[in-house]
Amino acid sequence: GQQLNQSPQSMFIQEGEDVSMNCTSSSIFNTWLWYKQDPGEGPVLLIALYKAGELTSNGRLTAQFGITRKDSFLNISASIPSDVGIYFCAGQFTSGTYKYIFGTGTRLKVLA
Amino acid sequence: EAGVTQSPTHLIKTRGQQATLRCSPISGHTSVYWYQQALGLGLQFLLWYDEGEERNRGNFPPRFSGRQFPNYSSELNVNALELEDSALYLCASRQTGTGSVPTFGSGTRLTVV
Repeated sequence: GQQLNQSPQSMFIQEGEDVSMNCTSSSIFNTWLWYKQDPGEGPVLLIALYKAGELTSNGRLTAQFGITRKDSFLNISASIPSDVGIYFCAGQFTSGTYKYIFGTGTRLKVLA
Repeated sequence: EAGVTQSPTHLIKTRGQQATLRCSPISGHTSVYWYQQALGLGLQFLLWYDEGEERNRGNFPPRFSGRQFPNYSSELNVNALELEDSALYLCASRQTGTGSVPTFGSGTRLTVV
């Protein structure tokens, strides 16, 4: 199936540490999205990026739309136990379609 | 404002049977997306409906089908169920226009035995 490459696949970190994850594609995207999924729930939107080079923050989260439009990065600063979950990137193909393809996910575990 | 609602929350079917999953979008949203999430894996794009029409389809066999009704709610049908169809099926809705992004429901957990 169609999925974006997301890394790392999983990570254990200590509370208070910063976290970085990224997503790459062979296709150019118009929009990059970052979602978080808690167990038994649907993904919840964290950050939306609409322009190449855009850097957007949401509290302790910061995401960037790569200038090649083929990648995106998410950083979490000073992680806390409730950051545990699966983080997904998603890309929307260039104009003409509003189809969204998701990454393979990064499973984050925070050690208190 | 009510979010995206999916029903049922859990569904158990026998191999070979048919399953019907339902999704009600957020009021005002005209696009509905369906994704399959097998256990421990990412989201695989299944179908996208907008204004009652199928706009795009993922790499799934024809026994996965669906439709969107005039009130923008949607149904996903899976025929001739196979064991590997067991997964969380997620529906998302989106308002027409740039700047709007998909909002997800909590999903239907389908188990095929």
